[in-house]
Amino acid sequence: EIVLTQSPGTLSLSPGERVTLSCRASQSVSSDSLAWYQQKPGQAPRVLIYGASSRATGIPHRFSGRGSGTEFTLSISRLEPEDFAVYYCQQYGRSRTFGQGTKVEIK
Amino acid sequence: EVQLVESGGSVVRPGGSLRLSCTASGFTFGDFGMSWVRQAPGKGLEWVSSINWNGGITSYGDSVKGRFTISRDNAKKSLFLQMNSLRVEDTALYFCARGEFYFDFWGQGILVTVSS
Repeated sequence: EIVLTQSPGTLSLSPGERVTLSCRASQSVSSDSLAWYQQKPGQAPRVLIYGASSRATGIPHRFSGRGSGTEFTLSISRLEPEDFAVYYCQQYGRSRTFGQGTKVEIK
Repeated sequence: EVQLVESGGSVVRPGGSLRLSCTASGFTFGDFGMSWVRQAPGKGLEWVSSINWNGGITSYGDSVKGRFTISRDNAKKSLFLQMNSLRVEDTALYFCARGEFYFDFWGQGILVTVSS
């Protein structure tokens, strides 16, 4: 099983700041088969990025994904108030697994 | 508009069984693989199972393999999850999601509680 480790566990930031979230895989993720999701309290997750760097339909350009192999990142160029949420990475190169999540909270 | 609506959640005793359903609308159901993802209270997301567009390929997470069975009825635009030998640790909100590999639309989830 590919284990995904997200860091940090929690980030305290202010609106307007730039943030980069990390997702590290225990084995290489084939074909950059990695997605990122955002989940707000009481809501279902929403896909942001798939294929490591492709933005899903309707996702603002301030969200960007990068990486390959075992190291992946999700960046938000300027935090908007609605971006404070929990973010999960998920690999689908070998079976499917999720990271444990990173919470982005308002400072 | 894509909609996924789960049903069938309940409180069940350990060792019991339950069948979840997910009804889809707003897209051509038979063109897409589908999945179940769960979230224990206050915890992260856990992939449960996926099925390809025609039901010919199914896959399961290690924690449910041999106990859960995913299936679909394309004519009824429905996805199912048969859960047997339920354990306390299966307690979670179960989401139906579109996609076999990554998940681009999600239902709101249905709660399954396993408790004596």
